[in-house]
Amino acid sequence: EPEVTQTPSHQVTQMGQEVILRCVPISNHLYFYWYRQILGQKVEFLVSFYNNEISEKSEIFDDQFSVERPDGSNFTLKIRSTKLEDSAMYFCASSPGTGALNEQYFGPGTRLTVT
Amino acid sequence: AQSVTQLDSQVPVFEEAPVELRCNYSSSVSVYLFWYVQYPNQGLQLLLKYLSGSTLVKGINGFEAEFNKSQTSFHLRKPSVHISDTAEYFCAVSAEGYSTLTFGKGTMLLVSP
Repeated sequence: EPEVTQTPSHQVTQMGQEVILRCVPISNHLYFYWYRQILGQKVEFLVSFYNNEISEKSEIFDDQFSVERPDGSNFTLKIRSTKLEDSAMYFCASSPGTGALNEQYFGPGTRLTVT
Repeated sequence: AQSVTQLDSQVPVFEEAPVELRCNYSSSVSVYLFWYVQYPNQGLQLLLKYLSGSTLVKGINGFEAEFNKSQTSFHLRKPSVHISDTAEYFCAVSAEGYSTLTFGKGTMLLVSP
């Protein structure tokens, strides 16, 4: 069964460094998402991406964040200058279409630790 | 805006016992409702969803949930749990016509022999 994959599973970085979290969505899916979960808190929506542009973003997704689909398979989340409060589990998801009729398939997550 | 409340952070239960995981939501617009499960070291997997129609929704692995509009609830139930049901369960909503999911904090279901 096709699945969303994410690398690395765990990333440790120092405050102020740039990190890139990588995701490989399911191959025929068109919509891509990033969510994050700070330890002990809710899973929060960050951004959705379709047709090579951001379709929706939350207030968390500020100028420090960017997303890109650099080739036909990868979908990346970049954090330019990490802060301690960026430590969280980051989930990538993809769906074949938009709206609730189209299930979002989630990857296993990347745990980001900023020290 | 929508919000989701899962009051129980952990629910311990014995194998073969019934379980109910509670979820309440608030929204100023009509919503769709979802339950996701996360097994250790895996991604979130859709258990079931309510879009419209019958308020009792059946999902995978013997789970079901009932949408109660007057109580703004969408509680998840299973009549007899297995050890393998040990996982974290997330309730989520999306506004009609939108894809963005708003999640609760999750409930850890701990099934012991």
